[in-house]
Amino acid sequence: NAGVMQNPRHLVRRRGQEARLRCSPMKGHSHVYWYRQLPEEGLKFMVYLQKENIIDESGMPKERFSAEFPKEGPSILRIQQVVRGDSAAYFCASSPETGSYNEQFFGPGTRLTVL
Amino acid sequence: KNQVEQSPQSLIILEGKNCTLQCNYTVSPFSNLRWYKQDTGRGPVSLTIMTFSENTKSNGRYTATLDADTKQSSLHITASQLSDSASYICVVSAGGSYIPTFGRGTSLIVHP
Repeated sequence: NAGVMQNPRHLVRRRGQEARLRCSPMKGHSHVYWYRQLPEEGLKFMVYLQKENIIDESGMPKERFSAEFPKEGPSILRIQQVVRGDSAAYFCASSPETGSYNEQFFGPGTRLTVL
Repeated sequence: KNQVEQSPQSLIILEGKNCTLQCNYTVSPFSNLRWYKQDTGRGPVSLTIMTFSENTKSNGRYTATLDADTKQSSLHITASQLSDSASYICVVSAGGSYIPTFGRGTSLIVHP
């Protein structure tokens, strides 16, 4: 059973370009969470999705950021018109159910560098 | 506001030595507390989970303790190995919430 997969692992973009980060949850998991981690900072929640639904996007900036988890295929975190401040590690996690007791399994992350 | 504070921020020890990492939290209502290990360039991996009624949990050389009254937890690593070099993150979940609160982590370096 493969773990949570994220790609690309490293992404370099110039200011103004778009970044697309992909996350394939563990088999059987229908809940996906995206987090951002800055150096020396803890993981910050961005968005929580189930298949075809955004459940909570309270941690995601209103401008330039969007996320989706289609019926088929991976979850996508899209950042439009990237700026240097978007440089960070973006982690995806998945769980089979939701709730405070359910463990979230993390992917290896995508490290975004904006030049 | 839910918060998780960890100390020390970083720690350097010699291989074979023991160490203890601390976590203080203000998360309400408390549901559970996990310790994660995050290797450089990797995603966090869960080491232990404790609920309100548990005050200790072991996973090999890792032993976590929880004092729900003082809202403190510790992670004790016994006979450290070079592979223990990583960031250790304390994560606390509130009842009824699917979004846990993460500490900033303690960066542990084990030297030969």
